[in-house]
Amino acid sequence: SQQGEEDPQALSIQEGENATMNCSYKTSINNLQWYRQNSGRGLVHLILIRSNEREKHSGRLRVTLDTSKKSSSLLITASRAADTASYFCATPIGNTGANSKLTFGKGITLSVRP
Amino acid sequence: DTAVSQTPKYLVTQMGNDKSIKCEQNLGHDTMYWYKQDSKKFLKIMFSYNNKELIINETVPNRFSPKSPDKAHLNLHINSLELGDSAVYFCASSHILTSGGRGDTQYFGPGTRLTVL
Repeated sequence: SQQGEEDPQALSIQEGENATMNCSYKTSINNLQWYRQNSGRGLVHLILIRSNEREKHSGRLRVTLDTSKKSSSLLITASRAADTASYFCATPIGNTGANSKLTFGKGITLSVRP
Repeated sequence: DTAVSQTPKYLVTQMGNDKSIKCEQNLGHDTMYWYKQDSKKFLKIMFSYNNKELIINETVPNRFSPKSPDKAHLNLHINSLELGDSAVYFCASSHILTSGGRGDTQYFGPGTRLTVL
């Protein structure tokens, strides 16, 4: 069964606006990651937040994590047309080490209109 | 200086054929993965290998056989292709996943779009 569920499924905004995407998960986690996938390309790691962190920044990205609500949000500020992509949250499941695996949500399709 | 590469990028074939997808990483990682992404973009792990040893096999039909000749390569061979195998297949690599360690991030290849007719 899926671990992460993103919300909304699709988001369309104007260039310059902020985009907020949410992810909920089911079991306790060690960390939560966000990935971006441009059309026809592989996934690219954006940012990782550990379970003992509440907020993390990377450039125009801001990620929050609320372990009590089992949810995370990804905020992209001052969006650009180049941010148009699908965004996935991912969490490791299983014991750490070789048996651990990342499970991904279904993704959010972000469209940034020029 | 591509980190994770896959060949071919596109693969169109008839039902019943056997095909292979190759993956190579030059990041020095010890763990490699195969994922399948369906038409709704849902990404599901199929296999993981650590130091050439199969670690995770997510109840994938035995028509799918991964082979890792060395740590830098993980190939995927598919026998008797079926229509439902049509998808995009991604290879990825990482250091071994550890709590707070280097292995938390996975690096993905560009994908192989497989179409079975």
